[in-house]
Amino acid sequence: EVQLVQSGAEVKKPGESLKISCEGSGYSFTNFWIGWVRQVPGKGLEWMGIVYPGDSDTRYSPSFQGQVTISADKSISTAYLQWRSLKASDTAIYYCARQTDDGGEYDSWGQGTLVTVSS
Amino acid sequence: QSVLTQPPSASGTPGQTVTISCSGSTSNIEYNFVFWYQQQLPGTAPKLLIYRNDQRPSGVPDRFSGSKSGTSASLAISGLRSEDEADYYCAAWDDNLNAVVFGGGTKLTVL
Repeated sequence: EVQLVQSGAEVKKPGESLKISCEGSGYSFTNFWIGWVRQVPGKGLEWMGIVYPGDSDTRYSPSFQGQVTISADKSISTAYLQWRSLKASDTAIYYCARQTDDGGEYDSWGQGTLVTVSS
Repeated sequence: QSVLTQPPSASGTPGQTVTISCSGSTSNIEYNFVFWYQQQLPGTAPKLLIYRNDQRPSGVPDRFSGSKSGTSASLAISGLRSEDEADYYCAAWDDNLNAVVFGGGTKLTVL
């Protein structure tokens, strides 16, 4: 069974750094892109970018380029989403998801990580 | 403002058929596949409902169907059931943005 398990909820202050994780199991982690999707409370889904764990190739949405870093460590089947300096506007639920063949097709999702940024 | 446009809400009574539209452009829907996701509760992970415009993953009831024409796509739900009450999102790759774009979501209420 394909599973993506994300790290737990975080509460941070503005300006702090953060790295959240997404561990895959039940499939060949290196052969599928992993995407990250943001959902601000009460709002819709926003695509942030993707990483290919096989070679760490990474693509970003123009809206998130330079704001976050997406990476993966294939040795432990884990993808990451990282911020150097959080803002209050980063408060959201962040989902990782496995991309199958086509851009936009995510067949398995993590449970989501709630990130709260507040002074 | 989302790149793909969906109505914010839709409703129907049990047994009815409801259709949710998704309007895009030549850089996304017209030449790329459309996907539909269901999010049953806020804060829970979305679920892939339709892929490649009109294909259902295994386990998705055939009450759900997708279609595409030009720069628009639609999700139809027939035989509406109370458990279909959820938020629905369309998505597609955008060739200009080089990114996946989502619709703003449609909240379906079963009356």
